[in-house]
Order: sequence, then C-alpha cells, then structure tokens
Amino acid sequence: KNEVEQSPQNLTAQEGEFITINCSYSVGISALHWLQQHPGGGIVSLFMLSSGKKKHGRLIATINIQEKHSSLHITASHPRDSAVYICAVNLSVEAPDTGNQFYFGTGTSLTVIP
Amino acid sequence: EAGVAQSPRYKIIEKRQSVAFWCNPISGHATLYWYQQILGQGPKLLIQFQNNGVVDDSQLPKDRFSAERLKGVDSTLKIQPAKLEDSAVYLCASSFQSYEQYFGPGTRLTVT
Repeated sequence: KNEVEQSPQNLTAQEGEFITINCSYSVGISALHWLQQHPGGGIVSLFMLSSGKKKHGRLIATINIQEKHSSLHITASHPRDSAVYICAVNLSVEAPDTGNQFYFGTGTSLTVIP
Repeated sequence: EAGVAQSPRYKIIEKRQSVAFWCNPISGHATLYWYQQILGQGPKLLIQFQNNGVVDDSQLPKDRFSAERLKGVDSTLKIQPAKLEDSAVYLCASSFQSYEQYFGPGTRLTVT
C-alpha cells in the first residue's frame, strides 16, 4: 500500500469549473507538497504545506494534519490548467540525510475542456 | 537563477544497448536526486547524492543502473544494458537545505 493516495486518478472539467483534488497519507509527515507536471515531464512545485492553507492566484491548498488529508483546489479552471497534479510528502521519522526525500502519490490527470 | 538542466530530452534505444543521462543541478544545491517515472505512476527515487557521496541508492537496480557525481556538481545516470521495462521519464532534482526540490525537464527514454 502506498503511503500517499490521491483521488481522483483522472478528472475532466469544463472551463470555469471549481476543481478539487484530494490527497491522503498514512504516515507522520514534516511537509506536504503539491506539484504540477505538464506533458513532456517537467515538474513544478506549486505549494509546500505543513499546516493550514495557502493560496496562489487561482490555486488553494489546504492540509488537515489530524485527518492526514490535503486538498488542492483550482477556482475558475482554464484549459492551461490541464496537467498531472502530484501530491508528495516528506516523512517525519527519517534519518537526517534522507529527511528531504519525497514520497509521491500516483498523480491526478486533469483535463479542462474549453 | 538557472534551473536544473538535463540532457538529452529524448532518447530511443534498442534493448541491450547502453544509455547515459546528464544532470546539472542548481548552483549551490548539495543534494541531487535521480527519479524514474513510468507512465501513469508517480516518480520513484533511484538514488540520492549529498555532494559527491551517495545517501540512498536502495531502489537503484545496481545490476544495470549506475550513477555518479564525481565533483559534487553535475551527475550522470547510466543504464547498461537497457530492458524494455526501463522505458520511462528520468527526472533529476536538486535541493539546498529545505524540504523543497527543484526538478529538471526530464529525459524521456524509449527502449524498443
């Protein structure tokens, strides 16, 4: 069983819709990351969270440490938001050298239709 | 600030051939990671370097994969010989002293 689970695996939305992607994890973490991967492979970091909520433009990320759950929201979705969104965590119980390692979810493939 | 550079961007080889990938991390980043991402899956860590030393290579298939970071800056990942199941995107990432990692554009390998 993967330590990080994402849902849904695939999501298709109409332009302008509000989108939510969920991430659940089963281990203690130091931080949680939301990453965006466009076709071609490159990964961009969207957010790093250890508590609460962060907002950047139309993107909002929240985390509930007690429930071991995070959500990524996209407001007023646009076709250029089409990408794979990946949740990753840093485990809290690790040797110092490996504490920065990411444990990844399998990603959510988002397609926004004009 | 220049990002993480990788080359080549694409590579097609036949099974049993050899291939090498190159990564140049962000200047000053001591930690460098190589990941393998198979289509439809999240990235899987192959090896982590701290400067020129290996921190974790527990998931590196050492019978065919090797990696080095001789001067603690750029790094190469080699596969010899390649198998069909090695077809994937190979990602390099670097970090300084935080939980954040900065990813390169990746190398898409197709083994036929």
